[in-house]
Amino acid sequence: EVQLVESGGGVVQPGGSLRLSCEASGFTLISYWMHWVRQAPGKGLVWVSRINSDGSGTSYADSVKGRFTISRDNAKNTLYLQMNSLRAEDTAIYYCARDPGNYGSDHWGQGTLVTVSS
Amino acid sequence: QSALIQPRSVSGSPGQSVTISCTGSSSDVGGYIYVSWHQHHPGKAPKLMIYDVNKRPSGVPDRFSGSKSGNTASLTISGLQAEDEADYYCCSYAGSYTLVFGTGTKVTVL
Repeated sequence: EVQLVESGGGVVQPGGSLRLSCEASGFTLISYWMHWVRQAPGKGLVWVSRINSDGSGTSYADSVKGRFTISRDNAKNTLYLQMNSLRAEDTAIYYCARDPGNYGSDHWGQGTLVTVSS
Repeated sequence: QSALIQPRSVSGSPGQSVTISCTGSSSDVGGYIYVSWHQHHPGKAPKLMIYDVNKRPSGVPDRFSGSKSGNTASLTISGLQAEDEADYYCCSYAGSYTLVFGTGTKVTVL
């Protein structure tokens, strides 16, 4: 069974950092692109970042470019999102999602909550 | 990277059909076949319902169908059922390896 489990969320002060993890099981991570998508309280889904299968290609939403870094360790079947210079508007549930290569995320995790507050 | 425009809500009685529109531009919806639709029950993981405009993943009922005309994509739910009540989001490739989601539509089964 395909499973994606996010972790690493929590409460952080503005300007702080946090690293999210997404552990994959039930499939071979290296065969897939991966995305991070977030949902602020009461708002809709917003795409954050994408990484290709071997980690050599990444892309970001303008709102996080220069502050967030997506990476992966295929040997550990884990995707990461390093978030620096966090702002209140980064408060959201962060989901990781699997992409078979057609930009249709076919499996999602349950999400991890990040709260940026003083 | 402006969000694709969806109606805030649609509703229908059990057995009826509802259609959700998703309007973008030639830089996203109109320019690519990579349009997907995702069902989201609050507190749960989103679920892929349609990909590549009109393809259904294994296990998704054929009551769900997708289409596209110009810069607008649509999701139709035929034979509406109680379990279809959820939030629905369209998503499109927007070039340069980026994605854009729609504003989301709440489907209510009356």
